[in-house]
Amino acid sequence: QVHFVESGGGLVKPGGSLRLSCAASGFVFGDYYMTWVRQAPGKGLEWVSYISGTGAYTDYGDFVKGRFTVSRDNGDNTLYLQMNSLTVDDTAVYYCARVPSRSVSVFDYWGQGTLVSVSS
Amino acid sequence: DIQMTQSPSTLSASVGDRVTITCRASQYIGDKLAWYQQKPGKAPNLLIFRASTLESGVPPRFSGSASGTEFTLTIGSLQPDDFATYYCQHYDGYSWTFGRGTRVEIK
Repeated sequence: QVHFVESGGGLVKPGGSLRLSCAASGFVFGDYYMTWVRQAPGKGLEWVSYISGTGAYTDYGDFVKGRFTVSRDNGDNTLYLQMNSLTVDDTAVYYCARVPSRSVSVFDYWGQGTLVSVSS
Repeated sequence: DIQMTQSPSTLSASVGDRVTITCRASQYIGDKLAWYQQKPGKAPNLLIFRASTLESGVPPRFSGSASGTEFTLTIGSLQPDDFATYYCQHYDGYSWTFGRGTRVEIK
């Protein structure tokens, strides 16, 4: 069955960096677009980034402003999110999620999330 | 940019109640609307896509409908497991917008 395990979250100071990972299993990872979605404490869901199956195409939410980089290793079935220049506003649980198709581009499977806390 | 306005933000209901949550798009989006359920400390779970298509394994007491730019999630008879937060999501290719969520709490 489809399964994701995220890791890499933690406490970091403003201006610091973190690299999140999302290990996938149960499907042909390289056949699917993947996304990152975040949720600040007590707040709603916010789309962060997506990457195409081959890694050739990526995009980011406006708030990223060149600070984050999404990548993937299809040989290792792993999705990454490199986050630099972190601010307190980036504090959130970060989820990876799968996009089943372009025509129905919902998020059909999600990881359990990893918490990123940015604080001095 | 398309905005998704979800209401109410909180809803108090009892087991067995029929519950309706609404999401309005700022412009016509066809049927490109999904609903998710999220329980505290857990990832969201896809309930409905294409405005009214039930995801596999979702109980039939959940239903979705659309009328123009207004979308509705209905829980036919609220069960204890349904107390959660619900989000609508507009999707269009590789662009997504979430509603702000509706928390369904016990009355």
